[in-house]
Amino acid sequence: KAGVTQTPRYLIKTRGQQVTLSCSPISGHRSVSWYQQTPGQGLQFLFEYFSETQRNKGNFPGRFSGRQFSNSRSEMNVSTLELGDSALYLCASSLATIRVTDTQYFGPGTRLTVL
Amino acid sequence: AQSVSQHNHHVILSEAASLELGCNYSYGGTVNLFWYVQYPGQHLQLLLKYFSGDPLVKGIKGFEAEFIKSKFSFNLRKPSVQWSDTAEYFCAVKNNAGKSTFGDGTTLTVKP
Repeated sequence: KAGVTQTPRYLIKTRGQQVTLSCSPISGHRSVSWYQQTPGQGLQFLFEYFSETQRNKGNFPGRFSGRQFSNSRSEMNVSTLELGDSALYLCASSLATIRVTDTQYFGPGTRLTVL
Repeated sequence: AQSVSQHNHHVILSEAASLELGCNYSYGGTVNLFWYVQYPGQHLQLLLKYFSGDPLVKGIKGFEAEFIKSKFSFNLRKPSVQWSDTAEYFCAVKNNAGKSTFGDGTTLTVKP
């Protein structure tokens, strides 16, 4: 079974631009979560989608948004990029968050650099 | 608000030494606890998890963790580490609403 895939793997943008990251979950997984990983802040939860609905949201500004499609693929968008948005963005999928013990499977991440 | 604290940022051990990585969490309700590992150049992956039952849980590669409710702790242990255990380890808490909080991570370096 293929794992979680994220595209692109690397991205360089300049301040003020916007960016869209994509995540394809493991086949059959309906929940997709997004995390931001930085050396200073560690892994921080952005949001989680289940059946095309946002179920949970972390403490990030409205510039960070996401969506999930009917095939469970998810996209994350960051508008008006700031230097501090440079990070590794991780996507994780699981069968369903109704069962909170479900294992999350992480993708390789998208490394975003904002210049 | 829930939070997770990992006490050690960087641990250096020799092969065959015993390992214990501390993890404390703060949350008033029922929690589910996880340890993840990220080997160099690899994806983050689950080591073990606790949600109920026996507070001593065993994971992959000889790792185990003990949930001590009174101490809000979920420490990770391994009796004898190997060079291949060199990685970054993350403790995480998930509440019943499905929201996850990760600790800052502990980098483990095992010297051969």
